Amino acid sequence: NAGVMQNPRHLVRRRGQEARLRCSPMKGHSHVYWYRQLPEEGLKFMVYLQKENIIDESGMPKERFSAEFPKEGPSILRIQQVVRGDSAAYFCASSPVSAGSQGNIQYFGAGTRLSVL
Amino acid sequence: GDSVTQMEGPVTLSEEAFLTINCTYTATGYPSLFWYVQYPGEGLQLLLKATKADDKGSNKGFEATYRKETTSFHLEKGSVQVSDSAVYFCALSVDGGSQGNLIFGKGTKLSVKP
Repeated sequence: NAGVMQNPRHLVRRRGQEARLRCSPMKGHSHVYWYRQLPEEGLKFMVYLQKENIIDESGMPKERFSAEFPKEGPSILRIQQVVRGDSAAYFCASSPVSAGSQGNIQYFGAGTRLSVL
Repeated sequence: GDSVTQMEGPVTLSEEAFLTINCTYTATGYPSLFWYVQYPGEGLQLLLKATKADDKGSNKGFEATYRKETTSFHLEKGSVQVSDSAVYFCALSVDGGSQGNLIFGKGTKLSVKP
């Protein structure tokens, strides 16, 4: 049973370009979470999605960032017009049951390290 | 709001030394508590968890006890190995809520020397 798969592992973009980060959850998981890790910091929640729905996007910046989790295919985190401050590691996690379930475990991918030049 | 505070690192120990990484939390609801470990260049792996007061989570020689009275979830290991060198994150999730997120501490980097 493959784990959470993220690609690419490393992504380099110039300022103003678009970045697309992909996440395939574990088999059987329909709940996906995106987190951002800045250097020397812990992970900060960005968005929680269930198939075709955004459940909680309270951690998403209001502009330039969007996320989707279509019925078919991976979840996508999209960053438009990237700036240097977007450089970070972006982690995806998935879970088999809904958030709020007692002791719900989130399984993490290896992350995408975005560098903005 | 809900938050997690853990001791700052880095922590450097010799092999076979005793490890404690302190973690305290603030939560309005009834949180579940977790320790995750991140090895260099990798994602986070769940190390252990506890879902209610006085529960003890344990795995690979690591232990942590959910202390509601002190709002703490300190990580301990009796004898560390070089292979335990990693960053350790304490985290909570509030059960029964609509939020989807784990709330993480800033992480504690552990280096174990042979």
